[in-house]
Amino acid sequence: GAVVSQHPSRVICKSGTSVKIECRSLDFQATTMFWYRQFPKKSLMLMATSNEGSKATYEQGVEKDKFLINHASLTLSTLTVTSAHPEDSSFYICSANLGGGPTYNEQFFGPGTRLTVL
Amino acid sequence: AQTVTQSQPEMSVQEAETVTLSCTYDTSENNYYLFWYKQPPSRQMILVIRQEAYKQQNATENRFSVNFQKAAKSFSLKISDSQLGDTAMYFCAFMKQGTASKLTFGTGTRLQVTL
Repeated sequence: GAVVSQHPSRVICKSGTSVKIECRSLDFQATTMFWYRQFPKKSLMLMATSNEGSKATYEQGVEKDKFLINHASLTLSTLTVTSAHPEDSSFYICSANLGGGPTYNEQFFGPGTRLTVL
Repeated sequence: AQTVTQSQPEMSVQEAETVTLSCTYDTSENNYYLFWYKQPPSRQMILVIRQEAYKQQNATENRFSVNFQKAAKSFSLKISDSQLGDTAMYFCAFMKQGTASKLTFGTGTRLQVTL
């Protein structure tokens, strides 16, 4: 159980176009999902917290108009990279909170999406 | 704000040997959780082990165990009987108590297990 999927796993796009990445919790409902960005051989940097039915909370320095997050259902969050540029090329990872814990909820990670902007 | 520091960018260990990965953190919180995650070449993040700060007993999961020193804010991971499949990036992470809390990751340690 507790499987998180991401789609697509890999995407190549032209500079100036927008790209949507989906994150789904397959066998549980997640009121909270997180989006991370990982550069090669670097750590995961939290971009934003996605809350079902409300606006996402962005980390300092992350442009909310560039990285649009929508969490329309309890099993789906999407990250749209708008007007992508080569510097947006990165590995994007989502995680979903498995709720119900009294003091904390374990996060389960998706397999990631590699975005390459030409 | 919390910070997590991993001072060993790379480590190597021979198969069947034991290796310890270091992690220190800084926080003003009293109730929190610490984690070690493994990221193999597939890039899938896998939870290795979790420690609740209020527990004095060190967590263990089969060949993986931690040495949690709360006063020193230290949280090292020991891998016993290392296997080739243990080759991966290992990230130490911090989460303060709360049902929607976010993870703060360290910079990672690349572990190579050799024959």
